Amino acid sequence: GAVVSQHPSRVICKSGTSVKIECRSLDFQATTMFWYRQFPKQSLMLMATSNEGSKATYEQGVEKDKFLINHASLTLSTLTVTSAHPEDSSFYICSARQGAYGYTFGSGTRLTVV
Amino acid sequence: GENVEQHPSTLSVQEGDSAVIKCTYSDSASNYFPWYKQELGKRPQLIIDIRSNVGEKKDQRIAVTLNKTAKHFSLHITETQPEDSAVYFCAASSGGSNYKLTFGKGTLLTVNP
Repeated sequence: GAVVSQHPSRVICKSGTSVKIECRSLDFQATTMFWYRQFPKQSLMLMATSNEGSKATYEQGVEKDKFLINHASLTLSTLTVTSAHPEDSSFYICSARQGAYGYTFGSGTRLTVV
Repeated sequence: GENVEQHPSTLSVQEGDSAVIKCTYSDSASNYFPWYKQELGKRPQLIIDIRSNVGEKKDQRIAVTLNKTAKHFSLHITETQPEDSAVYFCAASSGGSNYKLTFGKGTLLTVNP
């Protein structure tokens, strides 16, 4: 079946530094990549939607200059959390869409900012 | 935009009993309704989905029903087992906006042995 590889699975960084999270679709070309954020015991909150070669569309309230999304190819999308602060600590998950309703989730990245 | 409400937020059942989780949606254009199971610290896993041209779908112990008129859909798990314990999310998509999914807030299901 379709597989999305997400790295790193866990990362601890110092406040003020930047962290890059990578999602790669291994055996299919992703039409669209979605990036979610999930706080403990809460639902998945959509941060942004990206298509290959075009600018990401951010959901209301999500700072596009803080959460940089690059979708350079149909198999790779990256999320960079810039100037991270403790409140950015969360579980970040990508989801790649193939076809109309084929969604494949990455394994998630646990970000801790200290 | 779409708004998905999910109830209950927590559900505790005895092993072997049935569990029902309900969701309502606001966008009448929504036509795809998946259910996901998420264990702690892991990715959501699709357990069943339904399209708007179907009223019910079943896969072994799991079934989903859809009432388009009332804009609600439900997940039914029969003969629950301890390994069914997890957080369950419903979601909806209208196909617009790149087919983005809007999730409910989740239901923590606990199956007691």
